[in-house]
Amino acid sequence: EIVMTQSPATLSVSPGERAALSCWASQSVRSNLAWFQQKPGQSPRLLIYGASTRATGISARFTGSGSGTEFTLDISSLQSDDFAVYYCHQYNNWPRTFGQGTKVEIK
Amino acid sequence: QVQLVESGGGVVQPGGSLRLSCTASGFTFSSYDIQWVRQSPGKGLDWVAFVRYDGNSKYYADSVKGRFTISRDNSKNTLYLQMNSLTPEDTAVYYCARDSHPPAYCGGYCSVGYWGQGTLVTVSS
Repeated sequence: EIVMTQSPATLSVSPGERAALSCWASQSVRSNLAWFQQKPGQSPRLLIYGASTRATGISARFTGSGSGTEFTLDISSLQSDDFAVYYCHQYNNWPRTFGQGTKVEIK
Repeated sequence: QVQLVESGGGVVQPGGSLRLSCTASGFTFSSYDIQWVRQSPGKGLDWVAFVRYDGNSKYYADSVKGRFTISRDNSKNTLYLQMNSLTPEDTAVYYCARDSHPPAYCGGYCSVGYWGQGTLVTVSS
């Protein structure tokens, strides 16, 4: 099973600042990597798939990059609506797996 | 618009069984791969099981293999998860989650795209 590791566990950021979230795969997942955002009491929402393609309706402030085993989600100029938990997810191998999540909180 | 509505959750004793359903609308159900993902209270996302658009291929997490069975009825636009031999570790919100695109669009590698609201399963005596 491919283990997905996210860092940091919690990121404290001031509104208007940039956030960079990292995700590592224990073996290559090529570009078959997605990012999800989840707010309390809500279902996850797809932000990025194919490591760098924004899903429909997702703001250009969200940028995904990387391939193989190292991936990054950049969120520029954080807004109040962006404070949430973010998960990376590999769909290259079975079983599909998720990272443990990064909580982005208001500093 | 894409809608996925889960049902069948509830409280069950350890060792018991439960069958979850997910009714889909707003898209051609038989054209999309689909899966179950769960989330224990206060924890992260845990992928459970997957079934191809035509029902011919299925994949499971090791933690549920041999206990859970995923299936679909394309004539009823419905996904199922039969859960047997339940343990307290299976307590979670279970989400039905459709892939983002038909498999041909992604060369067979599509991400989860749409999620239902989830149904809570509690395993407790």
